[in-house]
Amino acid sequence: DIQMTQSPSSLSASVGDRVTITCRASQNINFYLHWYQQRPGKAPRLLIYAASSLQSGVPSRFSGGGSGTDFTLTINNLQPEDFATYYCQQTHSITQTFGQGTRLEIK
Amino acid sequence: QVQLVESGGGVVQPGRSLRLSCAASGFSFSEYAMHWVRQAPGKGLEWVAAISHDGSNKDYADSVKGRFTISRDISNNTVYLQMDSLRVEDTAMYYCARDGGGNGWYGEDYWGQGTLVTVSS
Repeated sequence: DIQMTQSPSSLSASVGDRVTITCRASQNINFYLHWYQQRPGKAPRLLIYAASSLQSGVPSRFSGGGSGTDFTLTINNLQPEDFATYYCQQTHSITQTFGQGTRLEIK
Repeated sequence: QVQLVESGGGVVQPGRSLRLSCAASGFSFSEYAMHWVRQAPGKGLEWVAAISHDGSNKDYADSVKGRFTISRDISNNTVYLQMDSLRVEDTAMYYCARDGGGNGWYGEDYWGQGTLVTVSS
């Protein structure tokens, strides 16, 4: 299986900050990398697909980048509703895998 | 609007079976692959199984292969997860999700609210 490693595992930031989360794949996954947001008690929500494409309805302060094995999720001008857990996911292989998650907390 | 509604969760003893259902509406069900993804309490997301749009292809995580079976009923717009030989480590919230298409290019674009499975003696 392709292993996905996110960093950091947790992050503290303030409203208005800019934060970046990274995700590394254990092998080349081209652009088959997606980012999800999960708020407590809620289902995951797709934010970014194909590494850098913004899902419909997602605010433009979210952006993604990278290809191959190294990817980033950047959130500009953090809003109170952005404090949640973020997961990357690869769908390059049929047996897709998720990163372990990054918990974004209010400082 | 797209809706996915899971049901069938509950408390079950180790070694027993349970069948989860996911009722889909608001889109052309027969055109989309579907997935089950689970999340153990306080843990991350784990992909469980997928089924192609027409039900001809099915894939499973190694952790459930041989014990879980995914299926779909296009006439009822429902996807199922038959879980046999349940283990304590199968305890989790189980989510149904729609595949966005493009052989994985678009990720999983819609998710249900989840149904909780607890395996305990």
